[in-house]
Amino acid sequence: NAGVTQTPKFQVLKTGQSMTLQCAQDMNHNSMYWYRQDPGMGLRLIYYSASEGTTDKGEVPNGYNVSRLNKREFSLRLESAAPSQTSVYFCASSPGGAYGYTFGSGTRLTVV
Amino acid sequence: KNEVEQSPQNLTAQEGEFITINCSYSVGISALHWLQQHPGGGIVSLFMLSSGKKKHGRLIATINIQEKHSSLHITASHPRDSAVYICAVRSGGSGSRLTFGEGTQLTVNP
Repeated sequence: NAGVTQTPKFQVLKTGQSMTLQCAQDMNHNSMYWYRQDPGMGLRLIYYSASEGTTDKGEVPNGYNVSRLNKREFSLRLESAAPSQTSVYFCASSPGGAYGYTFGSGTRLTVV
Repeated sequence: KNEVEQSPQNLTAQEGEFITINCSYSVGISALHWLQQHPGGGIVSLFMLSSGKKKHGRLIATINIQEKHSSLHITASHPRDSAVYICAVRSGGSGSRLTFGEGTQLTVNP
């Protein structure tokens, strides 16, 4: 099925460990996004990629890095996980411009 | 003050009731999105609108650009409508980035 695929769905990390969240879309969308969702807060943009080869910081980029590997894939890396990064992470994609968004199913990350 | 404010935060209704969720925003926008997040966590796009009104099944979304306000209506509500409904706006000056409201938790009881 066409859509946005995120892996893993669940992850527990110890403080200081690193990991990469993977995201891939098969809709030929130009733009891809990483959001985090915390209780009592709206989704917040971590990083985005308006097109292949470009990435930009969002509202809450500290502690994260991203790679737009190709048009399909956009990964999010935590170099040294902290408990404050415990959250649900969503990847999304969009054709860009005046079009809607497609979201992945989310990754629930716990840092202990 | 958040750029996007939703009300109410929580809403409980009986099956069959007409439901309204409101969204107010404080910035100029190029489009407004309504999203649905299911209890399992997945997020689905319901509507994108920049003017007027859109309808899909029992869902109706309206927007008043002058008043910076949008509403999502659900007619003949059903327990399967129970979800979090999220309003998000795209500002013309920031490309296709979205700013999200905190969401409205809707529970429809049988």
